[in-house]
Amino acid sequence: DQQVKQNSPSLSVQEGRISILNCDYTNSMFDYFLWYKKYPAEGPTFLISISSIKDKNEDGRFTVFLNKSAKHLSLHIVPSQPGDSAVYFCAASERTYKYIFGTGTRLKVLA
Amino acid sequence: NAGVTQTPKFQVLKTGQSMTLQCAQDMNHNSMYWYRQDPGMGLRLIYYSASEGTTDKGEVPNGYNVSRLNKREFSLRLESAAPSQTSVYFCASSEEPRVTQYFGPGTRLLVL
Repeated sequence: DQQVKQNSPSLSVQEGRISILNCDYTNSMFDYFLWYKKYPAEGPTFLISISSIKDKNEDGRFTVFLNKSAKHLSLHIVPSQPGDSAVYFCAASERTYKYIFGTGTRLKVLA
Repeated sequence: NAGVTQTPKFQVLKTGQSMTLQCAQDMNHNSMYWYRQDPGMGLRLIYYSASEGTTDKGEVPNGYNVSRLNKREFSLRLESAAPSQTSVYFCASSEEPRVTQYFGPGTRLLVL
């Protein structure tokens, strides 16, 4: 019973184009969402967050969109750069410190 | 400012052996966490500590014990290692519950 799903294990995008990473969840009580980036042999690094009271949050090249009715969030990276090549995890929590993580999407940005 | 540090980086154990994974943070954070990451799975919370002397079970606590020695340090102990505990273990900290967590580089554990 996976409450947070990242259905695309991998994604390849040309440098300069938009990368869109998707995340679906089943628990309508989730009220806070995070995106993390992970390079090999390193710990995850926080990217961007969004509260359920918003439908969009932007930070530089990164924008997260939340569609509560569809229980779907997405991370947009524009423009994509080779340094963005990493594994991206979404995570969700229900008013507690306990985050449920997705399985990750490996993004490869082609130069 | 080293952030979150973990030792060791890599460890091989035999079934039944015990070991302690160490974690320390220098950001004066109150909350600390232990996660494990297995192939094809997301990070799963093992234990959480809101402050010195307090701990709470996460999603997968069986086979582990933790100790919040002081505000800086949070250790994870495997009393009798099993092959199912082969994983990459991450420690994290945050100023408060729910806000951004900062992760250490991980400990790769192989139990034979």
